[in-house]
Amino acid sequence: NAGVTQTPKFQVLKTGQSMTLQCAQDMNHEYMSWYRQDPGMGLRLIHYSVGAGITDQGEVPNGYNVSRSTTEDFPLRLLSAAPSQTSVYFCASSQLLTGSEAFFGQGTRLTVV
Amino acid sequence: AQKITQTQPGMFVQEKEAVTLDCTYDTSDPSYGLFWYKQPSSGEMIFLIYQGSYDQQNATEGRYSLNFQKARKSANLVISASQLGDSAMYFCAMREGLSGTSYGKLTFGQGTILTVHP
Repeated sequence: NAGVTQTPKFQVLKTGQSMTLQCAQDMNHEYMSWYRQDPGMGLRLIHYSVGAGITDQGEVPNGYNVSRSTTEDFPLRLLSAAPSQTSVYFCASSQLLTGSEAFFGQGTRLTVV
Repeated sequence: AQKITQTQPGMFVQEKEAVTLDCTYDTSDPSYGLFWYKQPSSGEMIFLIYQGSYDQQNATEGRYSLNFQKARKSANLVISASQLGDSAMYFCAMREGLSGTSYGKLTFGQGTILTVHP
């Protein structure tokens, strides 16, 4: 019962470095998404995908790239890390139905120094 | 415009009392779903309850119920008989339907921190 696997759990980056947060699900879900969680801001949608080869921007997409080459994987790339990207990141997946709950990864705590 | 609004940054309740956490939403899509999630201090997201826009009755799951007022676009979470373990952050979320421009996107409110006092 893997569900949504998100790695790494913790990461420290220097300003300007790039990295990829990995997200994989084994439930054959069409919908996958990335959120960032900041104090007082709740969960804000970065990017989402409704199927392989289809991605779209969420509320706060700047500085992040995504791709969806398979149903299972939805990596999030930070192109040039900035201190403003210090946050907790969550990946989530669900079926593409209005009543489908989202299943979340464990989160990644990212610090950019 | 905010799709999901939670106006209570923090709430306090006495153990064994009931508490209502507010959530209002904004959508022009006739088909949508509303969710509540709990996030304890450990950080994981726990699904609590779901309400569909066409559901005639309010959803209930154990001590959780959803007070769905469609005309007012509100979906408040009611927790009965609060327990110390209910202390957590609570998020309201909405998934819009496939017919709208949001195409199934799931958006969250800012959250409400609930503290249960003994």
